[in-house]
Amino acid sequence: QLVLTQSPSASASLGAWVKLTCTLSSEHSHYAIAWHQQQPEKGPRYLMKLNSDGSHTKGDGIPDRFSGSSSGAERYLTISSLQSEDEADYYCQTWGTGGIQVFGGGTKLTVL
Amino acid sequence: EVQLVESGGRLVQPGGSLRLSCAASRFTFSKYWMSWVRQAPGKGLEWVANIKQDGSQKYYGDSVKGRFTISRDNAKSSVYLQMNSLRVEDTAVYYCVRDKDWLDLWGQGTLVTVSS
Repeated sequence: QLVLTQSPSASASLGAWVKLTCTLSSEHSHYAIAWHQQQPEKGPRYLMKLNSDGSHTKGDGIPDRFSGSSSGAERYLTISSLQSEDEADYYCQTWGTGGIQVFGGGTKLTVL
Repeated sequence: EVQLVESGGRLVQPGGSLRLSCAASRFTFSKYWMSWVRQAPGKGLEWVANIKQDGSQKYYGDSVKGRFTISRDNAKSSVYLQMNSLRVEDTAVYYCVRDKDWLDLWGQGTLVTVSS
């Protein structure tokens, strides 16, 4: 079964960096994913598509502070020079056969 | 501006029906799969359904299979979600999303509340 696992919460200080993790089910460790950001009281926004080799394609207007990387079944989102507006929920998403779409449970990022 | 705009959400009683609409602008709608994704209050994102460019393939999440129907009208650059036999647990914000496998363009959402 295609499953994405995320830690429920993370925190980091203003101006620092944070690395969020999304883990694919072991038999799907080669899958690409996408990262999405949802700021409080707003709809989600596409951040990037992240491949298993770590290459990634960001959405329009996404700052350079956002980057992605991969290792095995893990997919990472790194946010550097944290700003207050980065406080948000971050979701990973992948796709399977038969049109299915799967989301991780989301990570709530707090900027201290 | 490239955008998706949903409409049609409202308060409806359990067992009732509702049709959501989503209008696309500033991109070639007919070239893309389209999805509906929902978010219950205080919860995460849940994929609901998607539809191929020509409408020939449609897929549904298990929680809505047999109750919801996705459709599209490429001439109107619009996608729809017909929701029947609504349940309290269908209460959510419903988002229309462009589906390239990765979901790369989200609408602002429309709120559906199922309550007596």
